[in-house]
Formats: sequence, C-alpha cells, structure tokens
Amino acid sequence: KNEVEQSPQNLTAQEGEFITINCSYSVGISALHWLQQHPGGGIVSLFMLSSGKKKHGRLIATINIQEKHSSLHITASHPRDSAVYICAGMRDDKIIFGKGTRLHILP
Amino acid sequence: KAGVTQTPRYLIKTRGQQVTLSCSPISGHRSVSWYQQTPGQGLQFLFEYFSETQRNKGNFPGRFSGRQFSNSRSEMNVSTLELGDSALYLCASSVSRPDTQYFGPGTRLTVL
Repeated sequence: KNEVEQSPQNLTAQEGEFITINCSYSVGISALHWLQQHPGGGIVSLFMLSSGKKKHGRLIATINIQEKHSSLHITASHPRDSAVYICAGMRDDKIIFGKGTRLHILP
Repeated sequence: KAGVTQTPRYLIKTRGQQVTLSCSPISGHRSVSWYQQTPGQGLQFLFEYFSETQRNKGNFPGRFSGRQFSNSRSEMNVSTLELGDSALYLCASSVSRPDTQYFGPGTRLTVL
C-alpha cells in the first residue's frame, strides 16, 4: 500500500462542475503539497499546507491532520484545468508522492 | 525573476554511458531537490541539496549522485546507465527547507 493514496485516479467532468480530488496518507507528515502537471511535463506547485485551508482563485485545498486526509477542490472548472494533480507529503524532509489524478474537463 | 532552468531538455544515451544533468535554481533559492518521474513509478525523490550539502537521499542506487555549487546551481550524475533510467528528471528549488518548491521543466532522458 502506498504511503500517499489519491482518488480518483481518473476524472472526467463537464466544464463548470465542482471538482474534488482526495489524498489520504498513512504516515506522519509535516506538510502536504498539491502539484499540477500539464501535458509536456511542467509542474506547478499549487499549495503547501500543514493545517486548515488555503484558497487561490478557483482552487481550494484543505487538510485534516487528525484524519490524515487532504482535498483539492476546483470551482467552476474549465478545460484549461485539465492536468494531472499530484499530492505529496513531506516526511523527515523527504517528499512522498501520490500516483496522481488525471483530470479531464470537457467543454 | 527567472524560473528554474534545466539543461539539457532532452538527452539520448546508450546503456553503460554516464550522464550529467544541470539545474539552475531561482535566484536566492538555496535548496535544490531532484526527482525522477516514470510512467510506472510516478514521481520519486532522488536527493536534496542545501547550502552545498546533501541533506536527504531517496531510495536510489549509488549510480545516482549529485552536487551543489556555491551559487546554488546543482548537477546530478547517473553512471553506467540502464534502460530503466529512462525518465523525466525534474529539479525544484525553494528558498529554504521546508518551503514551497518551484519546479523546472525537466530533462527527458532516453536510454537505448
């Protein structure tokens, strides 16, 4: 079992839908990253959070330390949000990655 | 500010050769981390350098090594290349550790 699990693995939705991607981890972590990777490989760090909630534009990330769970939400999704979203936990100064969620937003 | 740059962007090598990849972090960033991404294993942590010292190392064989220079630029080296080393190699920099990381575009290495 991976130490960082994401669900779903693949997600297809219509433009405008509210999107939720989940990340669960089985080990203690000090912080959690959400990354976005577009086709071609470029990775953008969306959030780094260790508690509570962060918001940036249409993106919202939450983390519940007790439940070892984090969610990434996208409001009013758009085709340009199509990408792979990866969560990664920081543990002992190392990063453990989830396998990613491939999101496809249809126009 | 210029982003993280990696050179070369693409590289083709044959088994048994060695390769050196370069990463220039964002100006002022002192931490550089290296990652390997393959379709099968996803993203995996290779190592992290901070102020010219290796601070952490992932679960990779000794053929994978790296270093960081006084200007924070970093290189990673893979010796005796194997077919399985074909991957996208990403570096990321941050101001300190732990901190938000900024990723470079990656070097796509193909081993034939």
